[in-house]
Amino acid sequence: DAGITQSPRHKVTETGTPVTLRCHQTENHRYMYWYRQDPGHGLRLIHYSYGVKDTDKGEVSDGYSVSRSKTEDFLLTLESATSSQTSVYFCAISDPSGQSPTGELFFGEGSRLTVL
Amino acid sequence: QKEVEQDPGPLSVPEGAIVSLNCTYSNSAFQYFMWYRQYSRKGPELLMYTYSSGNKEDGRFTAQVDKSSKYISLFIRDSQPSDSATYLCAMLMSGNTPLVFGKGTRLSVIA
Repeated sequence: DAGITQSPRHKVTETGTPVTLRCHQTENHRYMYWYRQDPGHGLRLIHYSYGVKDTDKGEVSDGYSVSRSKTEDFLLTLESATSSQTSVYFCAISDPSGQSPTGELFFGEGSRLTVL
Repeated sequence: QKEVEQDPGPLSVPEGAIVSLNCTYSNSAFQYFMWYRQYSRKGPELLMYTYSSGNKEDGRFTAQVDKSSKYISLFIRDSQPSDSATYLCAMLMSGNTPLVFGKGTRLSVIA
């Protein structure tokens, strides 16, 4: 299994509170991603990073911010959580110029967030 | 129209059946095609990967890509209850572009 750890794995919070999800990898992969997965929508890309301090938006980035200060850590922050952000969040990594040149993703176990 | 279309199912088959899962896509620039398997409450894991058109076989699984029709398939022979999962197709243009996923098809194999 790829060395990807997500924390927390489960969180219940209230509307309006800030939430930070952490993804930690031990594979030294260059790219890191945050997806959310919802019934009827599948996996949707929120943000991704192609290097330390280099990030870009995905298709559902509104209401989310990210930071990557070290190769191994990628943080997803919900500044003010809303009920529509109740979802399962997956971190993924890839290394298209190194260990996995075809760009396949390796996923973490997911973080289940409930916003009441 | 979404870039990648996949019937969400659910699909229920008896043990031993041949399963066919399919995706269509609209962007002819896609070059790499993948199938991921996701068990309940787990992250997706790569099952099959193919480059450009053609077939690829791995045990009971065969991935097929028809770029002229913009259509990809995953066949599962002699299906087992342990194959019960959600199968997601995914594709990308190059290694440095984000993967684009279908919505996934939920498969149940009944013993």
